Amino acid sequence: LAKTTQPISMDSYEGQEVNITCSHNNIATNDYITWYQQFPSQGPRFIIQGYKTKVTNEVASLFIPADRKSSTLSLPRVSLSDTAVYYCLVGGRDKLIFGTGTRLQVFP
Amino acid sequence: EAGVVQSPRYKIIEKKQPVAFWCNPISGHNTLYWYLQNLGQGPELLIRYENEEAVDDSQLPKDRFSAERLKGVDSTLKIQPAELGDSAVYLCASSLDRRTQETQYFGPGTRLLVL
Repeated sequence: LAKTTQPISMDSYEGQEVNITCSHNNIATNDYITWYQQFPSQGPRFIIQGYKTKVTNEVASLFIPADRKSSTLSLPRVSLSDTAVYYCLVGGRDKLIFGTGTRLQVFP
Repeated sequence: EAGVVQSPRYKIIEKKQPVAFWCNPISGHNTLYWYLQNLGQGPELLIRYENEEAVDDSQLPKDRFSAERLKGVDSTLKIQPAELGDSAVYLCASSLDRRTQETQYFGPGTRLLVL
């Protein structure tokens, strides 16, 4: 069974850049990589999605190396409100596998 | 625009009792997903619908879990009978079309506690 792993937790301070990695060694050719943010008692919320190389939107960047066996979510200049759990999701038409989740704590 | 609606938000039942969860997806979204999320873990897909057809239910424990999506809109997930290990959050999500890797929009979830 394919596994998608992430660091359990990370700490940061306001204003810093945070990079969260996800390992997905068994990614299939048709799979996309999507990152979600989840606050307590809420459902996950979409952050960014990519297939290869680099994708950037107004809140984050996603870096995917050529072999696509890992990905890195980059959050520039985090704030206290970015304290949450972050999940990577690997899959597409044939499967959907969430990562183990990374709990990000941002300190003032 | 209204998001994905789920009810109830919380449910406490005794083991061996039946329970049902309801989901109303975002209007126009063809694909609907049910996930199970245990405490401290990522969501796990239970079943995925394309309109009214279940296109992926390989992870649904069919001996006690069932789901339906009549008319390709609302969906109901049922557990009968519930076991202690079923205590978790049940998330519903929807997207425009799974074939185009559309973003999934999640509801707030139903938190189930089986005593």
